[in-house]
Amino acid sequence: GENVEQHPSTLSVQEGDSAVIKCTYSDSASNYFPWYKQELGKGPQLIIDIRSNVGEKKDQRIAVTLNKTAKHFSLHITETQPEDSAVYFCAASKNTGNQFYFGTGTSLTVIP
Amino acid sequence: DTEVTQTPKHLVMGMTNKKSLKCEQHMGHRAMYWYKQKAKKPPELMFVYSYEKLSINESVPSRFSPECPNSSLLNLHLHALQPEDSALYLCASSQESGPVGNEQFFGPGTRLTVL
Repeated sequence: GENVEQHPSTLSVQEGDSAVIKCTYSDSASNYFPWYKQELGKGPQLIIDIRSNVGEKKDQRIAVTLNKTAKHFSLHITETQPEDSAVYFCAASKNTGNQFYFGTGTSLTVIP
Repeated sequence: DTEVTQTPKHLVMGMTNKKSLKCEQHMGHRAMYWYKQKAKKPPELMFVYSYEKLSINESVPSRFSPECPNSSLLNLHLHALQPEDSALYLCASSQESGPVGNEQFFGPGTRLTVL
């Protein structure tokens, strides 16, 4: 089965700095990689995703990169703001499957 | 409407009680999911309904009983739970078909405490 590893488990950055979270996966058949942000007391919110036919996707301050050969993908947040503080989860899945394999989460704190 | 709603927001129950969690979406999604999430952990898949049929049951104990009355509604019936079942229960939905069929959208969750 699929195994997704996520690093780091905690990350503190100064407001305005960039944050990078990395995930690796084991199953080369995985081809869909979403990122979720979960604030305290709330459900996970889909913030960006990437499919294996592209190497990078950007949405304002958030970007995701995918290296299929190395089987890793990363979330990049630029110009961080205090409201970016949350737990971020990566996941891997197959396009035709319902099953998500989640990483263990990264607790991001943006210090004002 | 791009929202998944869940009720109740909080639930406290004894080990002999019977209660139900409810989930609703009006996005026309044909797959619906129940997840269990413990503190500081990722969501764990429990059940998947696809086109109102149970397609995945991740070896969940029978004290959890899912039901999908129609394509917009998903219930989770709870009976004789244990204190270790205390967790955040999340519902999610996805289109199930098409190029973005597997994008999952989560509800806010029900915080369950079993005494």
